[in-house]
Amino acid sequence: EAGVAQSPRYKIIEKRQSVAFWCNPISGHATLYWYQQILGQGPKLLIQFQNNGVVDDSQLPKDRFSAERLKGVDSTLKIQPAKLEDSAVYLCASSLGRTGGDTQYFGPGTRLTVL
Amino acid sequence: AQSVTQLDSQVPVFEEAPVELRCNYSSSVSVYLFWYVQYPNQGLQLLLKYLSGSTLVKGINGFEAEFNKSQTSFHLRKPSVHISDTAEYFCAVTRPAGTYKYIFGTGTRLKVLA
Repeated sequence: EAGVAQSPRYKIIEKRQSVAFWCNPISGHATLYWYQQILGQGPKLLIQFQNNGVVDDSQLPKDRFSAERLKGVDSTLKIQPAKLEDSAVYLCASSLGRTGGDTQYFGPGTRLTVL
Repeated sequence: AQSVTQLDSQVPVFEEAPVELRCNYSSSVSVYLFWYVQYPNQGLQLLLKYLSGSTLVKGINGFEAEFNKSQTSFHLRKPSVHISDTAEYFCAVTRPAGTYKYIFGTGTRLKVLA
């Protein structure tokens, strides 16, 4: 079974530029999550999708971050414009989405450096 | 709201020694608890989870954890560690129903010394 795929793995941009990350979840997984992991911290949930719909985006900085999940499968996370404090690893995860006990499967992450 | 506290940011231990990584949670409702491991430059991988039933949970790679409701703890243990166990370990909590939002701790870096 293929795991969660993310691209790119690394990205370096200058502040005020825009950037986009892509995630392909495990086939059949209804729930998709985007996390931000700043160095030395645990992952922080940015947005959670259940199929096409947004379940939780309470910690998403909506003035600069946006995300979509087309057709309930792939997802993209965009930052525009980027700030220095956005430097982090962005993790995508997916789960079956039946209950809170379902295991979340994580991709390898995209390491973003904002200069 | 739920929260998770991992009391140790770093734990050095010699190879073949036992180790315990501590995790305490706070919640006014029942919770599910998880331990994930993150190797360098990789995503997180589930070690084990407690949903209900037996309070002693066994996971992969010889790890186990015990759910203690009275002390609101979910400490991770391994009786004998290997060099390959060197990694970052995260405790997480979520509610059984609702949005299934994971709350992660800040992580404990386990360094196994030869």
